Amino acid sequence: DAKTTQPPSMDCAEGRAANLPCNHSTISGNEYVYWYRQIHSQGPQYIIHGLKNNETNEMASLIITEDRKSSTLILPHATLRDTAVYYCIVSPGANNLFFGTGTRLTVIP
Amino acid sequence: DTGVSQDPRHKITKRGQNVTFRCDPISEHNRLYWYRQTLGQGPEFLTYFQNEAQLEKSRLLSDRFSAERPKGSFSTLEIQRTEQGDSAMYLCASSSLGWGVQETQYFGPGTRLLVL
Repeated sequence: DAKTTQPPSMDCAEGRAANLPCNHSTISGNEYVYWYRQIHSQGPQYIIHGLKNNETNEMASLIITEDRKSSTLILPHATLRDTAVYYCIVSPGANNLFFGTGTRLTVIP
Repeated sequence: DTGVSQDPRHKITKRGQNVTFRCDPISEHNRLYWYRQTLGQGPEFLTYFQNEAQLEKSRLLSDRFSAERPKGSFSTLEIQRTEQGDSAMYLCASSSLGWGVQETQYFGPGTRLLVL
């Protein structure tokens, strides 16, 4: 079922940009890239999604390669509150999300 | 808009008992989802509703599990004859499917079930 590959864990210094990679080499033309995160003991939180173009919102930026086989989620100025598990998901729509195990990001003071 | 709420937040039960969880979605969201999450794993899809219709069920949803959304608003998830393997976090999410709008799921805080 896994359509994405993410590193199991990453560290980032507080105040620096956190760049979380995701490989999705088998992505189909109609599939979006979604990112969610889950802070300990809470429900997942939507961050951002995109199809082809790079996207930016108040939380993060999503950079999708031209061939769409990989993407990077960028948190521009990581804070301690960004410590969480980050899930990269590819899906044709949000009614079919497969979360996988994600990347555990630890922001270090 | 207070977000998705779930009740109870925690439940401890003995093996063989029945339990029921409730989810109140964001108002006017027409889709509602149930997920299960075990320790160290990401959420796993169980089932979803569009309005009151249950449109999809995962093979994870055994016949001991039943979900309802009778009036297209809140939903309940019942587990009959609980087993220790049912111990998990049960998450609810809701979304609004509309024309020209890419659907986004918003999750509740979850109900943590422990079966002794």
